[in-house]
Amino acid sequence: GENVEQHPSTLSVQEGDSAVIKCTYSDSASNYFPWYKQELGKGPQLIIDIRSNVGEKKDQRIAVTLNKTAKHFSLHITETQPEDSAVYFCAASLERNTGKLIFGQGTTLQVKP
Amino acid sequence: ETGVTQSPTHLIKTRGQQVTLRCSSQSGHNTVSWYQQALGQGPQFIFQYYREEENGRGNFPPRFSGLQFPNYSSELNVNALELDDSALYLCASSPRGEGRVQYFGPGTRLLVL
Repeated sequence: GENVEQHPSTLSVQEGDSAVIKCTYSDSASNYFPWYKQELGKGPQLIIDIRSNVGEKKDQRIAVTLNKTAKHFSLHITETQPEDSAVYFCAASLERNTGKLIFGQGTTLQVKP
Repeated sequence: ETGVTQSPTHLIKTRGQQVTLRCSSQSGHNTVSWYQQALGQGPQFIFQYYREEENGRGNFPPRFSGLQFPNYSSELNVNALELDDSALYLCASSPRGEGRVQYFGPGTRLLVL
């Protein structure tokens, strides 16, 4: 069935360094890939998304890359700041009409000042 | 912060009881999705509502049901509560024509004793 694997489960970086989180999806028909940031006690916040007709998308310090052949996509955060510390989730969707998102297990990012 | 609101914020129930959770979608959005997030895990898709009808369902039993109202707000009902139903319940709304682009509310924390 549909599955999304996310790595690493925890990631600790120094302020100013880059952070990379990787996800692999199982169904090659997946064509929409959002990333969410979830802070403690809050709901997930959509930070960036990419569709299968695009290989890369950037928004200030955040970028997402997609490799359809290998069925994996990655989140890149540059010049990390302490406020980037949170749990990050990737997700994949293949069902345009139902909107079902399959989430990864999450990555806890800690940015040390 | 998104314009999605959920009530109540916290709820304690006992096994066997029934619960109703509420969600108001962001202005201009007409689709609502519900997710269950267990502690330390990614959200799991319950179902989506569009035009007041269920539009896709995840692997949840029939005791999980929902409604969508003409103003696009929604309810999630869970009957015969079990201990494993303890989780954060998240509602997400989507813009017209973009059911997979989902903006989450803060969630309702349900504890079943």
